[in-house]
Amino acid sequence: DVKVTQSSRYLVKRTGEKVFLECVQDMDHENMFWYRQDPGLGLRLIYFSYDVKMKEKGDIPEGYSVSREKKERFSLILESASTNQTSMYLCASRRTGLNYGYTFGSGTRLTVV
Amino acid sequence: AQSVTQLDSQVPVFEEAPVELRCNYSSSVSVYLFWYVQYPNQGLQLLLKYLSGSTLVKGINGFEAEFNKSQTSFHLRKPSVHISDTAEYFCAAEYSGGGADGLTFGKGTHLIIQP
Repeated sequence: DVKVTQSSRYLVKRTGEKVFLECVQDMDHENMFWYRQDPGLGLRLIYFSYDVKMKEKGDIPEGYSVSREKKERFSLILESASTNQTSMYLCASRRTGLNYGYTFGSGTRLTVV
Repeated sequence: AQSVTQLDSQVPVFEEAPVELRCNYSSSVSVYLFWYVQYPNQGLQLLLKYLSGSTLVKGINGFEAEFNKSQTSFHLRKPSVHISDTAEYFCAAEYSGGGADGLTFGKGTHLIIQP
């Protein structure tokens, strides 16, 4: 089974800090995604990547950037954290071909104070 | 923009009763559909998916869903629920042909099982 690992389950950061959320998958998938989840809003796509050094904006990219230097790792960066970025962040990896689908990490709950 | 609508934010059901969680998607030439379950403080677990073929899809934990193209629906059903089914359920769609890639999610349905 594909494993998607998010390095932190809980993070507390101060307003204005630069924050890195890390995601690693172990199945050599090319496509990776970052979502944020808020109560009553479901999951919304922030950024995605088709391959190393490639990135595309999702529906809510403002205030975020990403980095994909290695195929297995997709990082979400909050350049200057703000309280409205307090949320649950979920990373996903997509398998193509015969068993097409998405595998999600366990999530990082970020609180910005 | 393409969207996914989950018509109920909360569904209370008695244990051992049947349940249906409703999901409608935007009409599209090509769409893949998914149902995920999320237990408290956990990530998303795939229940089932529709990519093509048979419109009745069976998943894990006794869940099934039916793809209905004419009604643009993909409702999730279980004939008899258990306390352990209490969770948040998300319907999601992947649309082809433009726009951002990835899954578009509904806002979720909280399934509450009452003893």
